[in-house]
Amino acid sequence: NAGVTQTPKFQVLKTGQSMTLQCAQDMNHNSMYWYRQDPGMGLRLIYYSASEGTTDKGEVPNGYNVSRLNKREFSLRLESAAPSQTSVYFCASSEARGGPVEQYFGPGTRLTVT
Amino acid sequence: SQQGEEDPQALSIQEGENATMNCSYKTSINNLQWYRQNSGRGLVHLILIRSNEREKHSGRLRVTLDTSKKSSSLLITASRAADTASYFCATDDSSYKLIFGSGTRLLVRP
Repeated sequence: NAGVTQTPKFQVLKTGQSMTLQCAQDMNHNSMYWYRQDPGMGLRLIYYSASEGTTDKGEVPNGYNVSRLNKREFSLRLESAAPSQTSVYFCASSEARGGPVEQYFGPGTRLTVT
Repeated sequence: SQQGEEDPQALSIQEGENATMNCSYKTSINNLQWYRQNSGRGLVHLILIRSNEREKHSGRLRVTLDTSKKSSSLLITASRAADTASYFCATDDSSYKLIFGSGTRLLVRP
């Protein structure tokens, strides 16, 4: 039982390049989330998927797109990376079917955009 | 925008002492949770308290919730060096989303 896994762990991009961050969970959770964390700050929600087949914007969605590929996988895409997107990205999942929304986090992807 | 704001931003204590950190939030909540983040790692869930609860314990952790003041506190008793981490509160309004505060950085000196 690996929990929530993310790939890659580290990535350096040049401005304008694109990339996809991958996330998978093996806990059969319904909901999945993408956050970014900037130095010295809490997490800000980018996008979330309450259940398979649905996605919704969070607090900071601009410059990102997501795909809920199936119940296990939720990917985050940067179409044209900008230096302001330099951050640590965390994926999380939860069994949020009308109950408490305790979330389980992946180890993060450190992204630098030059 | 951040819903929860932790206080203090940073706390340094000696091993064996108690650590108290506070969280204030702005709007009505369904649950409030506390998470720990070790340096460079993902967040780990510590404890959840529902809006109709006032106090909850889990091992060396004690959480209180005062909905009239829109505030919560996390007490870690008999702290250990391994408790060194950042601690975040997070609130939900019965939607699927959590809103995190900016965190308290705790340093426990051996």
